[in-house]
Amino acid sequence: QSALTQPPSASGTPGQTVTISCSGSTSNIESNTVNWYQQLPGTAPPLLIYTNDQRPSGVPERFSGSKSGASASLAISGLQSEDEADYYCSAWDDSLSGYVFGSGTKVTVL
Amino acid sequence: EVQLVESGGGLVKPGGSLRLSCAASGITFGSNNMNWVRQAPGKGLEWVSSISSSSSYIFYADSVKGRFTISRVNAKNSLFLQMNSLRAEDTAVYYCVRDGSGSHYNRYWYFDLWGRGTLVTVSS
Repeated sequence: QSALTQPPSASGTPGQTVTISCSGSTSNIESNTVNWYQQLPGTAPPLLIYTNDQRPSGVPERFSGSKSGASASLAISGLQSEDEADYYCSAWDDSLSGYVFGSGTKVTVL
Repeated sequence: EVQLVESGGGLVKPGGSLRLSCAASGITFGSNNMNWVRQAPGKGLEWVSSISSSSSYIFYADSVKGRFTISRVNAKNSLFLQMNSLRAEDTAVYYCVRDGSGSHYNRYWYFDLWGRGTLVTVSS
């Protein structure tokens, strides 16, 4: 059981906005920064969002992150077929003295 | 070219040992905090271990504590993971991962550069 809870799946049609939630606790999300990773099948998961809401260079503006209290969210606006992937949230956990990942959310473009 | 290349994976029997290596190129390795993250077949990501740039700080997931040892040789741009007393549940692709923040504080780290991974299979 992951310390960070994500919905197992999310879906939308092209052009729609999909939002993925990541629920944690005071020892992880509420106290520390949240990062998001996108994983395409059979590949390593590149960084998508760091420090709650920052996009690395090259990541489209339609990907955005936010955090409030012990929860975080990733929004994908203007959904495209190439956005079909697994998405993971992650944060440092003070109680565990380690990093925790969410269980991942599979995004499907209908 | 900026890259991390893992090696050393393979098939090992339960209770056996394996040493993973990660060769870094195109980055200032000695200035980077480094990590190992694994992914079991069909499963999600699991953080394994972290080491600060000067090896001053080392952290392990509870699942590997006492069995795995992370180390680095900055002069050789290399990261290692010594894995002992391997179990079937250690079967996974192991990724070498760089922290992109450069921070002294783990809470600010993020994983911005990943290798392609090396597969470790623990089976009799």
